[in-house]
Amino acid sequence: DQQVKQNSPSLSVQEGRISILNCDYTNSMFDYFLWYKKYPAEGPTFLISISSIKDKNEDGRFTVFLNKSAKHLSLHIVPSQPGDSAVYFCAASGRNTGFQKLVFGTGTRLLVSP
Amino acid sequence: DSGVTQTPKHLITATGQRVTLRCSPRSGDLSVYWYQQSLDQGLQFLIQYYNGEERAKGNILERFSAQQFPDLHSELNLSSLELGDSALYFCASSVRGLDEQYFGPGTRLTVT
Repeated sequence: DQQVKQNSPSLSVQEGRISILNCDYTNSMFDYFLWYKKYPAEGPTFLISISSIKDKNEDGRFTVFLNKSAKHLSLHIVPSQPGDSAVYFCAASGRNTGFQKLVFGTGTRLLVSP
Repeated sequence: DSGVTQTPKHLITATGQRVTLRCSPRSGDLSVYWYQQSLDQGLQFLIQYYNGEERAKGNILERFSAQQFPDLHSELNLSSLELGDSALYFCASSVRGLDEQYFGPGTRLTVT
């Protein structure tokens, strides 16, 4: 049972354009969402998070949007840079609902071409 | 550099054997998590320890066990290894539980 889904295994974008990575979840107990970036041969790196009390969180070129009614979140990267090429994982947990695990999606491989 | 260290980096062993993976969390972090990433799969949560005690359990096989020691480092023990256990094993740490987790570089286990 995949509670966190990233339905696009890969995404290709040109440098300078917007990258939009999507994530859907099914468990209503999730109230905290995170994005991680992973380069080959390295561990995942925390990127940005959002609590369910917000619908948007911004950090530099990265913005995460949360649509609770649709159980959907997205990560926007503007402008995209070649160094952003990596695998992006969406993750969710239930910080205040007792769901004491972090559940990861299967990842989306982003390729930003010059 | 996340501050989380894992040893060894690579491990090649035969089926039926037992191995131990080691993780040292970031200074000050009390929670340690173990994850498994098989080929083309997402990160599968195995187990979490908080200040020496087991806090949460995921899809961890009975052949696998873990512990967190008083100095907060953790070990993941994998026994009766099977070919399907070949994967990347990541350790992560956080200050408490469910905060942003910081991942180590992983241990690549190959079972032949």
